[in-house]
Amino acid sequence: DQQVKQNSPSLSVQEGRISILNCDYTNSMFDYFLWYKKYPAEGPTFLISISSIKDKNEDGRFTVFLNKSAKHLSLHIVPSQPGDSAVYFCAARGARYSGAGSYQLTFGKGTKLSVIP
Amino acid sequence: EADIYQTPRYLVIGTGKKITLECSQTMGHDKMYWYQQDPGMELHLIHYSYGVNSTEKGDLSSESTVSRIRTEHFPLTLESARPSHTSQYLCASSQRRGGQETQYFGPGTRLLVL
Repeated sequence: DQQVKQNSPSLSVQEGRISILNCDYTNSMFDYFLWYKKYPAEGPTFLISISSIKDKNEDGRFTVFLNKSAKHLSLHIVPSQPGDSAVYFCAARGARYSGAGSYQLTFGKGTKLSVIP
Repeated sequence: EADIYQTPRYLVIGTGKKITLECSQTMGHDKMYWYQQDPGMELHLIHYSYGVNSTEKGDLSSESTVSRIRTEHFPLTLESARPSHTSQYLCASSQRRGGQETQYFGPGTRLLVL
């Protein structure tokens, strides 16, 4: 049973326009959410995160929105650039305590973003 | 920027061979993790460690084993590789700061078992 869902496997956006990547979760115990970007044959790179006590976090061209009542978060990239083309993973922390003050991350399957020049 | 390294980056090996995937980090992070990821799928945690001499199995059952003798080093070993072990293996590390904790990933090892 997937607790973190990215329902769009792929997304194509024109350069300069906004990219919106969506993520839904089912477990209300998640308290911290992260977005990672992954190029082929490389490891995921941390992009931006948001705590469940906030509804928005912004870092340059990247903004993450959290709607707790809908159990939904989204990543906005404005303006989109060709270098943003990658697979984006949504991850959620919590719900499964692993000890030593830490919780495991649960990942979605990723959305492949293609930014067309 | 995180400093976490994995070797080899790519490995093609025959069935039955013993392999060790290396992971090292220079950030002094206490926690380290191994994930397995197949194309188009989510990352699955297979092992984690909270410090020296601490190792635990993750959600996804794996025939691999890990060790944590030094803080900076977290190798993963497969005693007898099989084609079903073909996958990408990602190592990560983290440390709690300011109430939050972010995992930083290495570049991964792509393993192909023939």
